[in-house]
Amino acid sequence: GENVEQHPSTLSVQEGDSAVIKCTYSDSASNYFPWYKQELGKGPQLIIDIRSNVGEKKDQRIAVTLNKTAKHFSLHITETQPEDSAVYFCAASREEDTGRRALTFGSGTRLQVQP
Amino acid sequence: GAVVSQHPSWVICKSGTSVKIECRSLDFQATTMFWYRQFPKQSLMLMATSNEGSKATYEQGVEKDKFLINHASLTLSTLTVTSAHPEDSSFYICSAPKPQGSREQYFGPGTRLTVT
Repeated sequence: GENVEQHPSTLSVQEGDSAVIKCTYSDSASNYFPWYKQELGKGPQLIIDIRSNVGEKKDQRIAVTLNKTAKHFSLHITETQPEDSAVYFCAASREEDTGRRALTFGSGTRLQVQP
Repeated sequence: GAVVSQHPSWVICKSGTSVKIECRSLDFQATTMFWYRQFPKQSLMLMATSNEGSKATYEQGVEKDKFLINHASLTLSTLTVTSAHPEDSSFYICSAPKPQGSREQYFGPGTRLTVT
């Protein structure tokens, strides 16, 4: 099955700096890579996703890059703000003919933005 | 927009009792839903795939007789933790795929289960 590794496990940055979180995956057939933000006691919220036919996607201060050859993808947050502080999870899944598959999650990164 | 709800948001029960958690898709139908478990400061681990009108598919190591899943309608899946023990205390989260063939999934807000 799929295995997703994520690092770093914790990341502390100053407000206004950039934050980068990296993930690698093992299943070359995976073709969907979402990123989720989870606040304490809440379910994950999708912040951005990328499909295997795209190398980069950007949404305001958030961007994701994908390197299919190396099987890794990264989340980039620019101009960080204190409200960006949360746990971030990467995930991967593979579309199958028979239907959708569940997501395999990375281990999570606790981001703390210091004001 | 489409939303997934869970009920209850938190529950405390005594060892040996059973607890039912509901996952509902609001404004859309979900033939498939997923149940995840998340221990403190850990990642989400898939427990099972809930299929409307058929048996759930459980991940390796998850006891199907302990975690009963019923997907009785296109908008409701339930997870029943039977004979709960303190080690079952966790955050249980369900998700449902976004309609119209999208790979995106909507996650519920989670249910915090504490077994005393």
